[in-house]
Amino acid sequence: DAGVIQSPRHEVTEMGQEVTLRCKPISGHNSLFWYRQTMMRGLELLIYFNNNVPIDDSGMPEDRFSAKMPNASFSTLKIQPSEPRDSAVYFCASKIRQGGAYEQYFGPGTRLTVT
Amino acid sequence: DQQVKQNSPSLSVQEGRISILNCDYTNSMFDYFLWYKKYPAEGPTFLISISSIKDKNEDGRFTVFLNKSAKHLSLHIVPSQPGDSAVYFCAAVIQGAQKLVFGQGTRLTINP
Repeated sequence: DAGVIQSPRHEVTEMGQEVTLRCKPISGHNSLFWYRQTMMRGLELLIYFNNNVPIDDSGMPEDRFSAKMPNASFSTLKIQPSEPRDSAVYFCASKIRQGGAYEQYFGPGTRLTVT
Repeated sequence: DQQVKQNSPSLSVQEGRISILNCDYTNSMFDYFLWYKKYPAEGPTFLISISSIKDKNEDGRFTVFLNKSAKHLSLHIVPSQPGDSAVYFCAAVIQGAQKLVFGQGTRLTINP
């Protein structure tokens, strides 16, 4: 069974460019999470969705960041315009939304470098 | 405000010995805790969890202990193996909620 799939695995872009990160959650999972990992701040939650609906985007750093989940099998995280401080590893995770199930399953991450 | 803290950035243990990784939390509302393991260039993978109604949970070589009064949990790995070398994250959640709050991680190195 395939795990969470993220693309691209690596992205190098210039400041000011638009960046789109993609995620395919595990089939049957109905909650999806976007995280960012940096040395300074560790692993921080940006936004999460339940049944394709954004529930909490309080972790999104600023308006340059946006996330969508058009259907149960696909989500995007977009940064426009990108800045060097956005350089980080971005993880997508999914889980089944049911009582007592707290384990999230992570994708391999996208390493973003903004020059 | 760091609600979940792993105060040791790194730990080195000899193969075959016990590894003990520690985690402290400040939010008394947290009542479910998880440990994740992360290898380089991979995402974190779930390892073991514990509910606040327990003080110990064991799964093979891995045991998690929870001390609610001290707001402290620890992960014991015994015996430690070279494949255990990774970064370990603890995470906490309020049951019924969805958001995991992660610690900064501890890099464990198992020496042969």
